[in-house]
Amino acid sequence: DSGVTQTPKHLITATGQRVTLRCSPRSGDLSVYWYQQSLDQGLQFLIQYYNGEERAKGNILERFSAQQFPDLHSELNLSSLELGDSALYFCASSTRAREGEKLFFGSGTQLSVL
Amino acid sequence: AQKITQTQPGMFVQEKEAVTLDCTYDTSDPSYGLFWYKQPSSGEMIFLIYQGSYDQQNATEGRYSLNFQKARKSANLVISASQLGDSAMYFCAMREGRSNYQLIWGAGTKLIIKP
Repeated sequence: DSGVTQTPKHLITATGQRVTLRCSPRSGDLSVYWYQQSLDQGLQFLIQYYNGEERAKGNILERFSAQQFPDLHSELNLSSLELGDSALYFCASSTRAREGEKLFFGSGTQLSVL
Repeated sequence: AQKITQTQPGMFVQEKEAVTLDCTYDTSDPSYGLFWYKQPSSGEMIFLIYQGSYDQQNATEGRYSLNFQKARKSANLVISASQLGDSAMYFCAMREGRSNYQLIWGAGTKLIIKP
């Protein structure tokens, strides 16, 4: 058990809908990362937060947004969903986002857009 | 161009044998780091080992070691005495630079250990 909690584990929804994925980092970890894993694109970095502030942005669509709250949990909001958004969404956390620090991953949220 | 290349989509290995999973990378940044993660069928990503570009020695973590050849830009994962529980997808990932912490991932290698 990595200590990173993601809910829900599975999500099935329809095109055009909006969903929210939630992540609780390991106790004491200040940095949260969101990744998308799909069959055609592999693992893609979406966004990183550090102690409530956005730190880095990757291949995140404008329809997607995220935030990190004062208690350090994070939410990834996906709106106007399309079939191609179906993927496994991972949250990861690390203590301070220092060089060489390992990322601890949650079990992921499997999103299916029908 | 691919920044991380894992040339072996799949491998079958006999239990108790050693396994080498290949990873080559491409970067012009002198400061970078290489990670290996394991993804079992249950889906979670499990950290295995890390090698920094300035590390003098090859990283080792239990049965895992990293064969880091900087001039060749390769960072192969070696698993000694493979076990049935090692069957999983294995991903090589790279961090470039010191400030950003975005990992760039390879396509993965599916390893199956045969009894």
